[in-house]
Amino acid sequence: AAGVIQSPRHLIKEKRETATLKCYPIPRHDTVYWYQQGPGQDPQFLISFYEKMQSDKGSIPDRFSAQQFSDYHSELNMSSLELGDSALYFCASSSTGGRRPPIHEQYFGPGTRLTVT
Amino acid sequence: AQKVTQAQTEISVVEKEDVTLDCVYETRDTTYYLFWYKQPPSGELVFLIRRNSFDEQNEISGRYSWNFQKSTSSFNFTITASQVVDSAVYFCALSEAENNNAGNMLTFGGGTRLMVKP
Repeated sequence: AAGVIQSPRHLIKEKRETATLKCYPIPRHDTVYWYQQGPGQDPQFLISFYEKMQSDKGSIPDRFSAQQFSDYHSELNMSSLELGDSALYFCASSSTGGRRPPIHEQYFGPGTRLTVT
Repeated sequence: AQKVTQAQTEISVVEKEDVTLDCVYETRDTTYYLFWYKQPPSGELVFLIRRNSFDEQNEISGRYSWNFQKSTSSFNFTITASQVVDSAVYFCALSEAENNNAGNMLTFGGGTRLMVKP
């Protein structure tokens, strides 16, 4: 079965640079979520999109922005990178099955490991 | 506000032992969902189970079983006859649904690192 695809899998950037992470959800899934997991920590919710509209926002810094495109893939844009942004970034997707709020389990991608030097 | 607590940060067992991972949650919603995810050393998050707040029936799947007790706000996870491949970090997570027209973000507990030794 198709899974959530994230690219790149690893990314090394310098401070103050920008980074773009991509996420391709499971086909026919209509909701995409972004999470950040720092070293030794639990994943923290950043932002989510339902049918290409932002649906919920968590602890996402103002330096970060995200969007979901017409083909349902999503991109997380990170600017003015700081050392503290080094983390594993997960994308997850779920299917509402036509119900709101969506209650179906979220399936996670393999993550993008971002290292800021 | 929702909160998930996994008091055990690390557990070490010997293969074939049974082990229970504890999870306690807090929520003001009457409708909510509880999850367990496994994160092996490779880093991905693997979905294990979802339980709805209105369904307290316990579940068994192979060597895995889950005990949902609404009265104590707990959702514990037991692995029977543990194996080395069970070594991973296990996360309990909560999603509130009532009065929420947005996506159901997950709030994770701090995770329990399980080490199964041969």
